[in-house]
Amino acid sequence: KAGVTQTPRYLIKTRGQQVTLSCSPISGHRSVSWYQQTPGQGLQFLFEYFSETQRNKGNFPGRFSGRQFSNSRSEMNVSTLELGDSALYLCASSLAPTTSGQPQGEQYFGPGTRLTVT
Amino acid sequence: DAKTTQPPSMDCAEGRAANLPCNHSTISGNEYVYWYRQIHSQGPQYIIHGLKNNETNEMASLIITEDRKSSTLILPHATLRDTAVYYCIVKDDKIIFGKGTRLHILP
Repeated sequence: KAGVTQTPRYLIKTRGQQVTLSCSPISGHRSVSWYQQTPGQGLQFLFEYFSETQRNKGNFPGRFSGRQFSNSRSEMNVSTLELGDSALYLCASSLAPTTSGQPQGEQYFGPGTRLTVT
Repeated sequence: DAKTTQPPSMDCAEGRAANLPCNHSTISGNEYVYWYRQIHSQGPQYIIHGLKNNETNEMASLIITEDRKSSTLILPHATLRDTAVYYCIVKDDKIIFGKGTRLHILP
């Protein structure tokens, strides 16, 4: 079974631009979560989608948004990029939402998209 | 914030068992303990989870104390490929990663 795929793997953008990242979950997984990883802050939860609905979100500004399509694929968008948005963006898929109670914490991560903002 | 405390780093000789501790003294009765690891430049990898009983799978064993305030992840025969950052997570409504333990396997 194919794993989680993320595209693109690497991206360089300029401050003020916007960017869209894509994630395809494992076949049959309907929940997709997004995380940002930086050396200073570590792995931080951005949001989770299930059945095209946002289930939970972390403490990020409104410039960070996402959506999920009927085939469970998900995209996240960052508008008005700042230098501090440079990070590894990770997508994880699971059968059920991790925010739907216990246990529901088994997720499978993609390789990530490394975004550099200059 | 993460509900767990882990040592920042540990060393283990190749072929020996690696025992990674985790403290979670504020864990609630229905919260599960999860372990993930992240090998350099890759996404995190799920290892194992448990509630109160000890658990074992093909990757590792998880030992949870009777009071559930701490746990230990055991890699029975560590290899160089086990070099990674190991995250212990107590899951409430979402998964919060702490700083983890950087495990170095020594040849």
